Amino acid sequence: DTGVSQNPRHKITKRGQNVTFRCDPISEHNRLYWYRQTLGQGPEFLTYFQNEAQLEKSRLLSDRFSAERPKGSFSTLEIQRTEQGDSAMYLCASSLGTGTETQYFGPGTRLLVL
Amino acid sequence: RKEVEQDPGPFNVPEGATVAFNCTYSNSASQSFFWYRQDCRKEPKLLMSVYSSGNEDGRFTAQLNRASQYISLLIRDSKLSDSATYLCVGAPGGGYNKLIFGAGTRLAVHP
Repeated sequence: DTGVSQNPRHKITKRGQNVTFRCDPISEHNRLYWYRQTLGQGPEFLTYFQNEAQLEKSRLLSDRFSAERPKGSFSTLEIQRTEQGDSAMYLCASSLGTGTETQYFGPGTRLLVL
Repeated sequence: RKEVEQDPGPFNVPEGATVAFNCTYSNSASQSFFWYRQDCRKEPKLLMSVYSSGNEDGRFTAQLNRASQYISLLIRDSKLSDSATYLCVGAPGGGYNKLIFGAGTRLAVHP
């Protein structure tokens, strides 16, 4: 399967714990995006990378959230001191990065904070 | 006010029906628009891009009216497999950076 992959697919954690999610984009895709989706809503943009550079961060990305893409390939999204309001589906997408183009989404990581 | 607004539905239609979804956007800087389809508990997948001249892909027709900041999707001859949530999407950077999603319109096609 050469699509976007995300791990883990599901995560249950207790409030206050830290969690980390991983995204592997389609190979040769330079752009990588993180979105968050809550029930009944569309995905909301969090941040995106061009290769290893983080080019934009949403106001939704509080200081408890950090994303990295150290070698311009896979990316991690870490949430520190999780809160119940962090419960959501975290979606990763990638695109070629060469112009107007399609973003391909991974299956998402569903987070439940108890 | 959300940047992209859609009627949440649900739209319940019989097989073979024609159904139309509408969407409005408030950010005039949005350059590109798309319709994505999302099945229950799955990731969004691109259905089609939307152009001012209108575009058609089989049973699906999309239309953009920049003057009214209005986007539409028409599905003809609905199939059971069309049951999903349809997300209207704007792209301020032309899809080059972030996508702005509406909350989605749910469609249920019944026999």
